[in-house]
Amino acid sequence: GAVVSQHPSWVICKSGTSVKIECRSLDFQATTMFWYRQFPKQSLMLMATSNEGSKATYEQGVEKDKFLINHASLTLSTLTVTSAHPEDSSFYICSATRGQNTGELFFGEGSRLTVL
Amino acid sequence: LAKTTQPISMDSYEGQEVNITCSHNNIATNDYITWYQQFPSQGPRFIIQGYKTKVTNEVASLFIPADRKSSTLSLPRVSLSDTAVYYCLVGFLSGSARQLTFGSGTQLTVLP
Repeated sequence: GAVVSQHPSWVICKSGTSVKIECRSLDFQATTMFWYRQFPKQSLMLMATSNEGSKATYEQGVEKDKFLINHASLTLSTLTVTSAHPEDSSFYICSATRGQNTGELFFGEGSRLTVL
Repeated sequence: LAKTTQPISMDSYEGQEVNITCSHNNIATNDYITWYQQFPSQGPRFIIQGYKTKVTNEVASLFIPADRKSSTLSLPRVSLSDTAVYYCLVGFLSGSARQLTFGSGTQLTVLP
């Protein structure tokens, strides 16, 4: 099946710093990628939809200036958590579709962010 | 948005067949039904997808009745490694993931 890879798998940072998480589609071109966050024992919450070559579409309540998304190529989308605070600590997961409309998503391994 | 309802948790024993049902009363004509499996600290993994009737692959079967208002994921002869959260997604991609919203999921615990 299609492979989506995230990096780093885990990161610890100090409060106030910025952290970048990369999401790559390794064997297919992904015109659209999605970013989710997941708190312990909870479901995935969609944060934004990342479209190659255009601005990301953010879900209601997600601060676009806090969570910067860049999708500069067909195989790479990045999520930057700016001025991170402890409440931003979470599991961030990206997914991509191969362009089909059936809703089959391919997920990355996830990135665990811990802000001290 | 097609809202989904699943049991919060289920327990089973090794070797048994497990059926997890998802309700999606307001499913739209274009919507597909997709099931994912998630282990702790990992991204979800695609299990199976269907539109109507029955679909079977090497790991599971998906039963969808004619009215499509529910679906049942069937896992044959589960093992301890099948302990995970199972999500039912109903939706259709049309340039937005808003139509693919995760519900609460079902925590399946397989006991020895």
